[in-house]
Amino acid sequence: EPEVTQTPSHQVTQMGQEVILRCVPISNHLYFYWYRQILGQKVEFLVSFYNNEISEKSEIFDDQFSVERPDGSNFTLKIRSTKLEDSAMYFCASSLGTGASPLHFGNGTRLTVT
Amino acid sequence: DQQVKQNSPSLSVQEGRISILNCDYTNSMFDYFLWYKKYPAEGPTFLISISSIKDKNEDGRFTVFLNKSAKHLSLHIVPSQPGDSAVYFCAASYSGGSNYKLTFGKGTLLTVNP
Repeated sequence: EPEVTQTPSHQVTQMGQEVILRCVPISNHLYFYWYRQILGQKVEFLVSFYNNEISEKSEIFDDQFSVERPDGSNFTLKIRSTKLEDSAMYFCASSLGTGASPLHFGNGTRLTVT
Repeated sequence: DQQVKQNSPSLSVQEGRISILNCDYTNSMFDYFLWYKKYPAEGPTFLISISSIKDKNEDGRFTVFLNKSAKHLSLHIVPSQPGDSAVYFCAASYSGGSNYKLTFGKGTLLTVNP
């Protein structure tokens, strides 16, 4: 079964550094998402992306965050200047459509900011 | 923001018995509901969904019930198996518009004892 793949599985970075989290969505999917889960908290929506542009973003997704689909397969999340509170599991997801079309998640990247 | 609530952080059942996981929501705009299962170090895996035009959806051992008037849904697993032990997340979305995002509950840890 097709799956969403994320790299790296674990990223450790120092505060203030830039990180790029990478994702390869399911190939025929059209909608792409980033979610995150801070330890012990809910899975939270960050951003959705369709047709090469952001379609919706949460209040968490401030100017430090950006997303890009640099080619036909990768979908990246960049955090420009990481903060301690950015430490979380970051999940990429994709879906075929909207409405009654479930999201399929990758296994996540654990980001640790020291 | 508690639009989706899973009030039971954990549930323990015996193998072969029924597991019932509950979820409440407050936003009456939600019209699509999903259950995800999550093992440690993996991303959420889609299990089953239900649209607000239905009150029941069944897939093998998994059945989701929706009570719109009570803003309540439940996931029934029968018979429960040890491999079902995982965190179960309820999620909801509003399918109108050009995209959708999921609002997750905090999850319920299900333990199925052999």
